[in-house]
Amino acid sequence: TQLLEQSPQFLSIQEGENLTVYCNSSSVFSSLQWYRQEPGEGPVLLVTVVTGGEVKKLKRLTFQFGDARKDSSLHITAAQPGDTGLYLCASLGTSGTYKYIFGTGTRLKVLA
Amino acid sequence: NAGVTQTPKFQVLKTGQSMTLQCAQDMNHEYMSWYRQDPGMGLRLIHYSVGAGITDQGEVPNGYNVSRSTTEDFPLRLLSAAPSQTSVYFCASSYGGGGAKGYTFGSGTRLTVV
Repeated sequence: TQLLEQSPQFLSIQEGENLTVYCNSSSVFSSLQWYRQEPGEGPVLLVTVVTGGEVKKLKRLTFQFGDARKDSSLHITAAQPGDTGLYLCASLGTSGTYKYIFGTGTRLKVLA
Repeated sequence: NAGVTQTPKFQVLKTGQSMTLQCAQDMNHEYMSWYRQDPGMGLRLIHYSVGAGITDQGEVPNGYNVSRSTTEDFPLRLLSAAPSQTSVYFCASSYGGGGAKGYTFGSGTRLTVV
């Protein structure tokens, strides 16, 4: 079973600070998605990365896919209280299945 | 465009009762999945479907059944509710590659088993 490990598990920072969260696996990803989930809501897709070494930007969020496609990172520049939420990475499992699994999650709190 | 609709939003069951959580999507997505999310944790896959008539088990399938008679609907049945099934349940759908392009989620059903 492919496992997606995220770190850190919790992060509390002041408004304006930068942060990076990580998603790692022992297996190679075919593609990987990042989601943000707010309390009482379902996760919302932020980005898909496919190619090793790929970098995508979404306003103040920068997503990077590792060269070997076994890890990914999400960097937030100048965090704002609106960035508060649970950040999840996700990917299809290996072995030719269609099991779409999620990482353990990083809970971010940005203080004003 | 309604997206993924889950009903009910809240439910309280007694141990041993059965019930069905409803999920419907209007985006003509092939792939649908059910997840549970326990406090402070990520999402765990219960069952998934790659098309009408085709379902398979996820990571935590015990105590749950699914069926997919139409593209639009993917209900989740709890056979005999247990307190360990207290959780928030999310249904999601995807249009291609088994989710390789990401899933669209419903707003969840919060289930409490007493």
